[in-house]
Amino acid sequence: EDKVVQSPLSLVVHEGDTVTLNCSYEVTNFRSLLWYKQEKKAPTFLFMLTSSGIEKKSGRLSSILDKKELSSILNITATQTGDSAIYLCAVDDDDYKLSFGAGTTVTVRA
Amino acid sequence: ETGVTQTPRHLVMGMTNKKSLKCEQHLGHNAMYWYKQSAKKPLELMFVYNFKEQTENNSVPSRFSPECPNSSHLFLHLHTLQPEDSALYLCASSQEGLGYNEQFFGPGTRLTVL
Repeated sequence: EDKVVQSPLSLVVHEGDTVTLNCSYEVTNFRSLLWYKQEKKAPTFLFMLTSSGIEKKSGRLSSILDKKELSSILNITATQTGDSAIYLCAVDDDDYKLSFGAGTTVTVRA
Repeated sequence: ETGVTQTPRHLVMGMTNKKSLKCEQHLGHNAMYWYKQSAKKPLELMFVYNFKEQTENNSVPSRFSPECPNSSHLFLHLHTLQPEDSALYLCASSQEGLGYNEQFFGPGTRLTVL
């Protein structure tokens, strides 16, 4: 059975800090790993990482895929209160299904 | 606005009620999904529809009944639910055949079963 584990489950930081979120996975036929941000209701797409695109960056957010270690990290630099959210990691196992981790709740205090 | 809408946004129902959740996607996608999100748990995939055909049913109890009349609309019919069914129900859509599965989510329906 596919498995996606995120750590930590939650963390609290102050504005300006850098956070690193972890996602490890065990899937049968890895195709891609996706990061989502969920603030109030709908998870919104951040990045997709594949064998041909193992590093992505957008503004203060960046993500790296380590296929050897079967893991990914999501970095947020110079955090702002608007970064407070649940960050979800999901893995696409070539079966058009996404397996999600439990998420990491990030709280950024002013 | 993500292009995926869900109604109602909040629903409170008794265990003997029958209600339906509605999802509509305006993205021209051909696959739609129902997920259940409970506190501190991973999103649980419930149903998958590809080209209006149900291709996945993750051992969901029969008190949840999906319906997909066309590729833009997806319903989840609810009857005789239990209090443990209280959760956020998320709908998502994606375009299959692209070689990757980027799913776009709706805002969800917060369901409370009394």
